[in-house]
Amino acid sequence: AQRVTQPEKLLSVFKGAPVELKCNYSYSGSPELFWYVQYSRQRLQLLLRHISRESIKGFTADLNKGETSFHLKKPFAQEEDSAMYYCALSGEGQGGSEKLVFGKGTKLTVNP
Amino acid sequence: DSGVTQTPKHLITATGQRVTLRCSPRSGDLSVYWYQQSLDQGLQFLIQYYNGEERAKGNILERFSAQQFPDLHSELNLSSLELGDSALYFCASTLSGTSYNEQFFGPGTRLTVL
Repeated sequence: AQRVTQPEKLLSVFKGAPVELKCNYSYSGSPELFWYVQYSRQRLQLLLRHISRESIKGFTADLNKGETSFHLKKPFAQEEDSAMYYCALSGEGQGGSEKLVFGKGTKLTVNP
Repeated sequence: DSGVTQTPKHLITATGQRVTLRCSPRSGDLSVYWYQQSLDQGLQFLIQYYNGEERAKGNILERFSAQQFPDLHSELNLSSLELGDSALYFCASTLSGTSYNEQFFGPGTRLTVL
């Protein structure tokens, strides 16, 4: 079964501090992992995906298959990073679809 | 707006009623996904359509059904509504249904069942 766990519902840090949002997954095949973000009053949007190995808005995430984790990190948090963050997994479904299985989300608040 | 659109934005109805939620995908996208977001369950995948055909089913109740029309817009029908169906319903679209594409989300429809 596909499962994504985000252990922290809420995470609060100060501006300039490092931030790490945890994500663990359960999947027997080769997953595609994503981080989606939802800023206040905006729609859910892709932040980054593991296959791209890119840094978006200073955020990076490394897929650790041994630990089945895909933690999201940023060395210096900014107030505009305050948002709801969802880790998501895409695996093969029937007919080869890529339904997304989402974690329950972590609300990040960056305090001034 | 060339992004994913959803109507209505808000819907308030009573238990036992039936509602239809509408989603128009991004221009050129062939695949539509429906998700339900509730406080306790988070974002749950309901169903996917690709070019008019059902592609995958998730945790969709039998009281719920969906379809995708020739112009690629999709409708999610919810019937015999219960209080627990109150949630945000999102649709998302991608170009294809067979690769790990980014899903583009609509703004959602907030359904309140009284």
